Amino acid sequence: SQKIEQNSEALNIQEGKTATLTCNYTNYSPAYLQWYRQDPGRGPVFLLLIRENEKEKRKERLKVTFDTTLKQSLFHITASQPADSATYLCALVGDYKLSFGAGTTVTVRA
Amino acid sequence: EAQVTQNPRYLITVTGKKLTVTCSQNMNHEYMSWYRQDPGLGLRQIYYSMNVEVTDKGDVPEGYKVSRKEKRNFPLILESPSPNQTSLYFCASKSGTGGNSNQPQHFGDGTRLSIL
Repeated sequence: SQKIEQNSEALNIQEGKTATLTCNYTNYSPAYLQWYRQDPGRGPVFLLLIRENEKEKRKERLKVTFDTTLKQSLFHITASQPADSATYLCALVGDYKLSFGAGTTVTVRA
Repeated sequence: EAQVTQNPRYLITVTGKKLTVTCSQNMNHEYMSWYRQDPGLGLRQIYYSMNVEVTDKGDVPEGYKVSRKEKRNFPLILESPSPNQTSLYFCASKSGTGGNSNQPQHFGDGTRLSIL
């Protein structure tokens, strides 16, 4: 069966450090992978999309990689700030839907 | 302001009492979808609609109904709610009719349902 796993439920880091989140998937062949941010009490908000033929994508302090051989995406937040504290969700596009991982909650300590 | 609006935001009700959660988007999006979010399970798709009068089941459709009579509205209906439908529900929309398109989904702020 298809499965999406995000590395850990929670990640605590010091302000200024880089947070690295992992998204692994099995039994999928996604054409695209998306990352969303979710704050408490709010709906997910789109951050970045990466295509299967792209190795890396950047947006400001965010970087996403996509390795279709390893079936893995890495999401990096560089120079992290307390405002980056949130839950981050990876999502795979295919079969007329987005399939989501359970999310990783990042807490950035000042 | 571009947005997806869900109502109500919170609802506590009892088993078997029919309820409807409304969803409306003002972005003229063709594709709309409903998800439920449960701890440790992530977002799971309930139903989706690629356009007016076109709906299809997602991963967890049992116990739910939807309709898409107008482009902007996509209500979720629980005809006989049960406690296992207690959850946080999100409506989302995106442009394009292709479900595999790379367009981002825009989410509402959620509806927290408690079925006693």
